Amino acid sequence: DQQVKQNSPSLSVQEGRISILNCDYTNSMFDYFLWYKKYPAEGPTFLISISSIKDKNEDGRFTVFLNKSAKHLSLHIVPSQPGDSAVYFCAASDWDSNYQLIWGAGTKLIIKP
Amino acid sequence: ETGVTQTPRHLVMGMTNKKSLKCEQHLGHNAMYWYKQSAKKPLELMFVYNFKEQTENNSVPSRFSPECPNSSHLFLHLHTLQPEDSALYLCASSQVPDSSYEQYFGPGTRLTVT
Repeated sequence: DQQVKQNSPSLSVQEGRISILNCDYTNSMFDYFLWYKKYPAEGPTFLISISSIKDKNEDGRFTVFLNKSAKHLSLHIVPSQPGDSAVYFCAASDWDSNYQLIWGAGTKLIIKP
Repeated sequence: ETGVTQTPRHLVMGMTNKKSLKCEQHLGHNAMYWYKQSAKKPLELMFVYNFKEQTENNSVPSRFSPECPNSSHLFLHLHTLQPEDSALYLCASSQVPDSSYEQYFGPGTRLTVT
């Protein structure tokens, strides 16, 4: 049973508009969440993270929102740029997991010019 | 070299072959990981090494055999693989303990088993 779910396999957004990628989790013990971005033929690269003591973290065009009661987080990218086209993975961890990450299946984001 | 490197980048092998994947990290980290990524599936953690000691083996078949000779190098030895083992194999490293949980990935080895 997947503990981290990204229910949208793909998402298409117009350049300049907002991209919203969603992630749901089932384990209430998760206390840290990360978003990674992956281009073809490259490994995932860290994008942004959030601790469970916060409900928002912002870094430039990227903002992550955490709703603990709904066990839901989202990544907002605004404005979306062509270089944002990639697969985005959500990952989660808890203090008891020996720093191991539990991953979602990814959402492929396509930015249309 | 910087970051995490993996060789080879692509590998095609028959089911009776023996091959090895290599990973090297240049970040001074003390933990290294092997992941399997199949299409449209979450990254599956295979093995974890902390301070060169294997701390996790997520029910991986014995046809996959990891080796960590030091904190900078990690190998995955492959023998008698099955076609369903075809996937992208990713190596990652991190510093533990660390409040960020962040892992740094190599580019992966695309493995095809024929």
